[in-house]
Amino acid sequence: SQKIEQNSEALNIQEGKTATLTCNYTNYSPAYLQWYRQDPGRGPVFLLLIRENEKEKRKERLKVTFDTTLKQSLFHITASQPADSATYLCALSNAGNMLTFGGGTRLMVKP
Amino acid sequence: DADVTQTPRNRITKTGKRIMLECSQTKGHDRMYWYRQDPGLGLRLIYYSFDVKDINKGEISDGYSVSRQAQAKFSLSLESAIPNQTALYFCATSDPRTGISVETQYFGPGTRLLVL
Repeated sequence: SQKIEQNSEALNIQEGKTATLTCNYTNYSPAYLQWYRQDPGRGPVFLLLIRENEKEKRKERLKVTFDTTLKQSLFHITASQPADSATYLCALSNAGNMLTFGGGTRLMVKP
Repeated sequence: DADVTQTPRNRITKTGKRIMLECSQTKGHDRMYWYRQDPGLGLRLIYYSFDVKDINKGEISDGYSVSRQAQAKFSLSLESAIPNQTALYFCATSDPRTGISVETQYFGPGTRLLVL
């Protein structure tokens, strides 16, 4: 069955550094990959979408890569700030299909 | 997202009780979803609806039922609650008219349910 793995341990980094979060998947060939941010007590909020034929996508301080050979996506936040502290979820899908979410990775940015 | 609201935000109930969680949206989206979130397991799809006359089971529909009362309203019911249904429940919407093959989803604030 499809499996999506995100590091369940929290990632702690210093303010100003680049945070890199990983999403690995198996038994799946998704056409699309999305990243969401979730703050405590709130619902997930969409950040970025990348297609299987795109290697990289950027939005302000965010960058997502999608390697269909490695079955992996990397999510980068450059010049991280304490306000970036949250849980980040990756979600995969094919056209017309439902999203399948990973368990999320909690990011803590220390001032 | 204030455009998607869920009531109640918190609920404590006892085993065997019937409860209903409600979701309303003002985004004008046709598609609505119910998920549950458990620590470390991510979001799992319970039911989804692509329009008022369309209801589909998701990955974990056993023990749940839904009702799509209108385009803007989608309710989730637990007919006889059990402790392993203790979780965080989210409603979400999406719009198939965005012009791409996959939609992003807009989530409500969640309902925290505790079944004793």
